[in-house]
Amino acid sequence: ETGVTQSPTHLIKTRGQQVTLRCSSQSGHNTVSWYQQALGQGPQFIFQYYREEENGRGNFPPRFSGLQFPNYSSELNVNALELDDSALYLCASSLRLAGGGTDTQYFGPGTRLTVL
Amino acid sequence: AQSVTQLGSHVSVSEGALVLLRCNYSSSVPPYLFWYVQYPNQGLQLLLKYTTGATLVKGINGFEAEFKKSETSFHLTKPSAHMSDAAEYFCAVSDLGTGGFKTIFGAGTRLFVKA
Repeated sequence: ETGVTQSPTHLIKTRGQQVTLRCSSQSGHNTVSWYQQALGQGPQFIFQYYREEENGRGNFPPRFSGLQFPNYSSELNVNALELDDSALYLCASSLRLAGGGTDTQYFGPGTRLTVL
Repeated sequence: AQSVTQLGSHVSVSEGALVLLRCNYSSSVPPYLFWYVQYPNQGLQLLLKYTTGATLVKGINGFEAEFKKSETSFHLTKPSAHMSDAAEYFCAVSDLGTGGFKTIFGAGTRLFVKA
């Protein structure tokens, strides 16, 4: 059973640029969630994808977008980067339950994004 | 709307002492509740979870938590702290509402363990 992996581990961008972060889900999981964790804070829910469609979204602007692929891997795209986007971005995979919720989320190690 | 409040951004205990990390939540529907631990420069690791059934949940590394619906609490405890328990702990609530699925994390509590 493979775990959740994320790439790259670190990334430096400048304000206004665009960035793509990648996540490979744990084997057998069909749901992926993305979180932003600023320094010294708890993770903030960005969105969740199930069967390649957005299944829930937190309070993030549309310049944060995502994709889920048929193999359940995922991308997080952020356009027009701002200094406040500097954070650890965490991906979590899980299995959707019959009632619509999800089972335990397994987190990747994260991508540390620095915006200068 | 969901929310999670962790009382105390920092908790310090002596090795061997009781660990108590507090978490209160609000949710409009029956929630799923979680505790995660995060070591420096790492992702989150699940300690334990409550979905349905028994309200006292046992997790890894000797941690346990009790779901108290009347108090909307899900406090994390461990009878005897170990130096390796020093880390950041996050309480989280998940539910499926009208806006779709959401998970909300608390701000975290950093646990210090003194020798």
